[in-house]
Amino acid sequence: SYVLTQPPSVSVAPGKTARITCGGNNIGSKSVHWYQQKPGQAPVLVIYYDSDRPSGIPERFSGSNSGNTATLTISRVEAGDEADYYCQVWDSSSDLVFGGGTKLTVL
Amino acid sequence: EVQLVESGGGLVQPGGSLRLSCAASGFTFSSYEMNWVRQAPGKGLEWVSYISSSGSTIYYADSVKGRFTISRDNAKNSLYLQMNSLRAEDTAVYYCARGPATGGFDYWGQGTLVTVSS
Repeated sequence: SYVLTQPPSVSVAPGKTARITCGGNNIGSKSVHWYQQKPGQAPVLVIYYDSDRPSGIPERFSGSNSGNTATLTISRVEAGDEADYYCQVWDSSSDLVFGGGTKLTVL
Repeated sequence: EVQLVESGGGLVQPGGSLRLSCAASGFTFSSYEMNWVRQAPGKGLEWVSYISSSGSTIYYADSVKGRFTISRDNAKNSLYLQMNSLRAEDTAVYYCARGPATGGFDYWGQGTLVTVSS
């Protein structure tokens, strides 16, 4: 089965850049989607098809995908960005897979 | 405004059954693919099942295959998940989410809690 590996936690100071990785075998050949989930709330789509942003998502959120790693980048991090982030792909052998999630802490 | 509202969760004994519903509004439900995603307490997201806009194509996670059945009624703008032979490990908040299996899910409901316990 296809496995997506995310770091359990990432910490960043306000105003700095946070990078959250999502590792998978040849993930660069797949489309990666990213979600933000705050405590007690449903997930929110922040990046789809590797690097597209839904309307209403700040330009500070961006995504890239190449080789064995996809990356969600959050620039000029704000306190309100503190949340869990999940990557997601569709794999023909495993169907739909989520990464284990990364807790972003704003110091 | 797009809204997805889940209902039907609750406490059920192991081996029991439950039917979840998701009422959709604010968009043309019959044109969209839908999914169920669950989240066990304190854990990450787990995709459960997908259904195409017409209902002709369905996928399940291995963990629920043979026990859960996804369906939809486009005339009633509703998505369903029939859950049978429930196990303790099925305890989770269940979300319905709009989107293609290969794409991102752009709208989610608020979730309904299913607790499987004796």
